[in-house]
Amino acid sequence: DADVTQTPRNRITKTGKRIMLECSQTKGHDRMYWYRQDPGLGLQLIYYSFDVKDINKGEISDGYSVSRQAQAKFSLSLESAIPNQTALYFCATSDARTGTDTQYFGPGTRLTVL
Amino acid sequence: QKEVEQDPGPLSVPEGAIVSLNCTYSNSAFQYFMWYRQYSRKGPELLMYTYSSGNKEDGRFTAQVDKSSKYISLFIRDSQPSDSATYLCAMSLISSGSARQLTFGSGTQLTVLP
Repeated sequence: DADVTQTPRNRITKTGKRIMLECSQTKGHDRMYWYRQDPGLGLQLIYYSFDVKDINKGEISDGYSVSRQAQAKFSLSLESAIPNQTALYFCATSDARTGTDTQYFGPGTRLTVL
Repeated sequence: QKEVEQDPGPLSVPEGAIVSLNCTYSNSAFQYFMWYRQYSRKGPELLMYTYSSGNKEDGRFTAQVDKSSKYISLFIRDSQPSDSATYLCAMSLISSGSARQLTFGSGTQLTVLP
């Protein structure tokens, strides 16, 4: 079984719809992240969470919200999707105890907003 | 100007060639440097991690950091078709008690031809 899983893997939606992307991990890590990846722009941080009670905005949080339901679950919501949110979305985790904060990524969700 | 610049390629080399992938950065406070490999339709996976100037070797891969020039490189010796992927550099600041946010390059797409 994969350590970091994301659902759905692909999603097509329409402008204005609310959509939720989910991330689960079995690595036992305390820290979780959401990134989006666009061609030529690399990975951009949307939100990150140190633990269940801690949520922080990343560099591109506008139009997104998150929920950390449990240590192992971190979901990303688009309240009213727009076409320029079409991208590949990745969840990642890291373990503060290691001291390196190496991040481990899920397989990604390809989101298309029409 | 982006904080991290990476030649997007694409780069195509014959099997057995030595590959050099490079990133430059502008923020002299970056202290941790990573290389991720991303296969098509997969999430990035950590390839190498270093926090000091100089070279770090792992099998066919060598990561080089030159902090005085703000330049990092990844060398792949005896390249194989299985090395065909997008390579992302990433770097982060020293921080105490908080997650180290990663700043990614845009990625270099590499194809190794059999």
